Amino acid sequence: DQQVKQNSPSLSVQEGRISILNCDYTNSMFDYFLWYKKYPAEGPTFLISISSIKDKNEDGRFTVFLNKSAKHLSLHIVPSQPGDSAVYFCAASVAGGTSYGKLTFGQGTILTVHP
Amino acid sequence: DTGVSQNPRHKITKRGQNVTFRCDPISEHNRLYWYRQTLGQGPEFLTYFQNEAQLEKSRLLSDRFSAERPKGSFSTLEIQRTEQGDSAMYLCASSPGRGLADPGGQFFGPGTRLTVL
Repeated sequence: DQQVKQNSPSLSVQEGRISILNCDYTNSMFDYFLWYKKYPAEGPTFLISISSIKDKNEDGRFTVFLNKSAKHLSLHIVPSQPGDSAVYFCAASVAGGTSYGKLTFGQGTILTVHP
Repeated sequence: DTGVSQNPRHKITKRGQNVTFRCDPISEHNRLYWYRQTLGQGPEFLTYFQNEAQLEKSRLLSDRFSAERPKGSFSTLEIQRTEQGDSAMYLCASSPGRGLADPGGQFFGPGTRLTVL
C-alpha cells in the first residue's frame, strides 16, 4: 500500500528553467510534508517542509505547494541549476501522537538539470 | 564531523549469517530512526527510539531483526539468519524530537549497504 506516490521516475530540465516535482498521498491523517534530496552514496538531506495549515512555503529557490483537497503537493525549483541534479523524495508524517516523526516516503524522482 | 555516522558503510555476508550495524546520531538528538531502502524505492520506516525507549516497530521488522539503543545514544540494528531479501541500504536518522514536529526534518546518515550472497 503506497501511501505516498511520486509518479514521475525522472525529470529532465534545462538550466535556468523551472523544475516541478509532484507527489500524491492517500492517507488523510498526514499533516506534515517534507522534501528530501539525495546524492549517490549519501543519505537523504532535508530540503523544505510544509504543515497542513499552510498551502505554500518558500525557501530561496525552493517552493512547496500543498493542495489538501487533492492530497497533492509539489516542489518548484526556480531557477534550476546543474547542482540540483539528484533524487528527490517526498515524505509525509503525522505531526502529533506517538508516531510523529515517522516518515513515509515516495519512490523518488530523479532530476537532471542540463547546462 | 557532527553529523549522523553509520558503520560499516558496506557489508557483504553469506545467507544465514548474523550482521550488526551501528548508528551514532547527532549529539543530544533524542529521536533515532532506522529505515531500509531498496533499489528504486524510497526509504521505508523500520523502527524508532525516543531516548532508549523503542516506541514503534514496523511490520517489516520481522523477528530476525532487533534494534537497541541502550543508553539513549548510539543504536545497533542486528539481523539474524540473513536472507537474500535483506539486501538493501539501511539508513539511520536522528532528530531533536522537540515539539509536535521536526520542522528541520530528520538528519540522515550515509547508510550501510548490505549484500547477502
